[in-house]
Amino acid sequence: RKEVEQDPGPFNVPEGATVAFNCTYSNSASQSFFWYRQDCRKEPKLLMSVYSSGNEDGRFTAQLNRASQYISLLIRDSKLSDSATYLCVVNDSGNTGKLIFGQGTTLQVKP
Amino acid sequence: AAGVIQSPRHLIKEKRETATLKCYPIPRHDTVYWYQQGPGQDPQFLISFYEKMQSDKGSIPDRFSAQQFSDYHSELNMSSLELGDSALYFCASSRYQGGETQYFGPGTRLLVL
Repeated sequence: RKEVEQDPGPFNVPEGATVAFNCTYSNSASQSFFWYRQDCRKEPKLLMSVYSSGNEDGRFTAQLNRASQYISLLIRDSKLSDSATYLCVVNDSGNTGKLIFGQGTTLQVKP
Repeated sequence: AAGVIQSPRHLIKEKRETATLKCYPIPRHDTVYWYQQGPGQDPQFLISFYEKMQSDKGSIPDRFSAQQFSDYHSELNMSSLELGDSALYFCASSRYQGGETQYFGPGTRLLVL
């Protein structure tokens, strides 16, 4: 079982749709949580950090449930440019900052 | 703003050859991480350095070694290359280790023939 699990998709949605991605992690001692975005053959780019209180950045909302070891990302009013792979990422419980990646969820926004 | 620099961007090698990948972190970042992303896979942590000392080690083969130099740049040395080493190799840097945000370089695409 992978340490970080995501539904790989693909999610095919029309422009303007709302789409939600979910992720679970196995290590209850994990400290930090992130969503990264990766475009084809490019480097992962930080989309947002995830906090228990929830955080919002424009059309993007992330939520963390430590009790359930569950992380979510909500994208509202999808744009064509949102098409990418979204990686759920967990910082290992140690102090070294090692990141553990989920397998990614592919989003394709269609006109 | 300055980003993480990796060189070369593309590399083609034959089996049993050696390769050296270089990473230049963002200025004032003292921590460097190396990740390997195989085709259709998620990035896997290889090794990290903090203040020029190895701080953590992941699924890095014994054929690979790495170090961080006094100017904080890092090099990943790969020997006896195998076909399965073909992958994207990303370097990331952060200011301090731990939960700090990691910024990724554009990666080196290695193809082993």
